[in-house]
Amino acid sequence: NAGVTQTPKFRVLKTGQSMTLLCAQDMNHEYMYWYRQDPGMGLRLIHYSVGEGTTAKGEVPDGYNVSRLKKQNFLLGLESAAPSQTSVYFCASSYGPSGYEQYFGPGTRLTVT
Amino acid sequence: GDSVTQMEGPVTLSEEAFLTINCTYTATGYPSLFWYVQYPGEGLQLLLKATKADDKGSNKGFEATYRKETTSFHLEKGSVQVSDSAVYFCALREGYNFNKFYFGSGTKLNVKP
Repeated sequence: NAGVTQTPKFRVLKTGQSMTLLCAQDMNHEYMYWYRQDPGMGLRLIHYSVGEGTTAKGEVPDGYNVSRLKKQNFLLGLESAAPSQTSVYFCASSYGPSGYEQYFGPGTRLTVT
Repeated sequence: GDSVTQMEGPVTLSEEAFLTINCTYTATGYPSLFWYVQYPGEGLQLLLKATKADDKGSNKGFEATYRKETTSFHLEKGSVQVSDSAVYFCALREGYNFNKFYFGSGTKLNVKP
């Protein structure tokens, strides 16, 4: 049981390049989330999904797209990376909404130059 | 909108000292409150939670009480250990949109032997 895994762990991009971050969970959770963590700002929700085939915007969705084609996977895409997207990205999943805890992946450190 | 404010760090304590990390929140409705801990190089882990007013969450010697009258959820531990050194995040889940989480900026705790 691996829990929540994220690929890759580190990445450096040039401005304008694109990439996809992969999140996978093996706990059969319905809900999945993408956050970014910036110094002094805690975690901010980018997008989330309440089930396979569904996605919704969080607090800071601009510049990102997501897809949830399979229940166990949640992809975060950057179509044209900008230096402001330099951050640590965390994926999380939970069984359900009310009161259920979120399980976090180890994070992806992205640097955009 | 909803938000979480927690005391800035770093907090440096000697082993066996008493710990308090303050957390206050702004929310409409009846949110659930959480404390997460992040060890170096890892994702966040749930430490404790409280889902309604006056609930006390506790785990591993840590406690926090959901105080609606003061909109607070302060984290306490009677005797810290070196192994408690980590970053602690206070978080809120909206009471009417269970998919929306808001995190504080995190408080780094350093415990010296």
